[in-house]
Amino acid sequence: DIQMTQSPSSLSASVGDRVTITCRASLPMSNYLAWYQQKPGKVPRLLIYEASTLQSGVPSRFSGSGSGTDFTLTISSLQPEDVATYYCQQYNSGPRTFGQGSKVELK
Amino acid sequence: VQLVESGGGLVEPGGSLRLSCAASGFTFSNYSMNWVRQAPGKGLEWVSSISRSSGFIYYAASVTGRFTISRDNARNSLYLLMNSLRAEDTAVYYCVRDFLSYSGNKYHYHGMDVWGQGTTVTVSS
Repeated sequence: DIQMTQSPSSLSASVGDRVTITCRASLPMSNYLAWYQQKPGKVPRLLIYEASTLQSGVPSRFSGSGSGTDFTLTISSLQPEDVATYYCQQYNSGPRTFGQGSKVELK
Repeated sequence: VQLVESGGGLVEPGGSLRLSCAASGFTFSNYSMNWVRQAPGKGLEWVSSISRSSGFIYYAASVTGRFTISRDNARNSLYLLMNSLRAEDTAVYYCVRDFLSYSGNKYHYHGMDVWGQGTTVTVSS
């Protein structure tokens, strides 16, 4: 099974900052990776699929990149409404494993 | 488009529960479906998936042999029968739709795009 490891587990940033979250797969994989946002007390929301394709309605300040084992979610200019926990998920093969989550807070 | 879970509650270790998910606003039979859970204060854990016509079913290792996923396309409903429940099964259980596209005479999977509000399962004596 492919295991997904996110870093950092949490971060604190200011409004307008560029924020980067990394997701590392335990095995090389194709770009079958999704990113989800879960705001406090809310259900998860699909942000990005196929590693870099923005889901409809998602602000353009969110972007995804990567290949092989290393994938990245970037928020180009952090907004207060982006405070949330972000999860990656692989759907390359086997169980659709999630990363452990990365919590983004405002400084 | 809506998914509404029900059936959660408090159950003793070793007990059973059956979760249900009612789908509306889309053609349920055209989508594969999932159960995903989240333990208190923890991350997301995929539990089980079922294909559109129930021909393909998958489980996480942590629930294999104890949980059974099923669906009734005529009733637009998804189910999860949970037996031999353990304390570590305590979680919010989400019913989740697969995000699919169709091209080249086949379906392509892109993640999970519709989530229910969840139903809480607590396993405790």
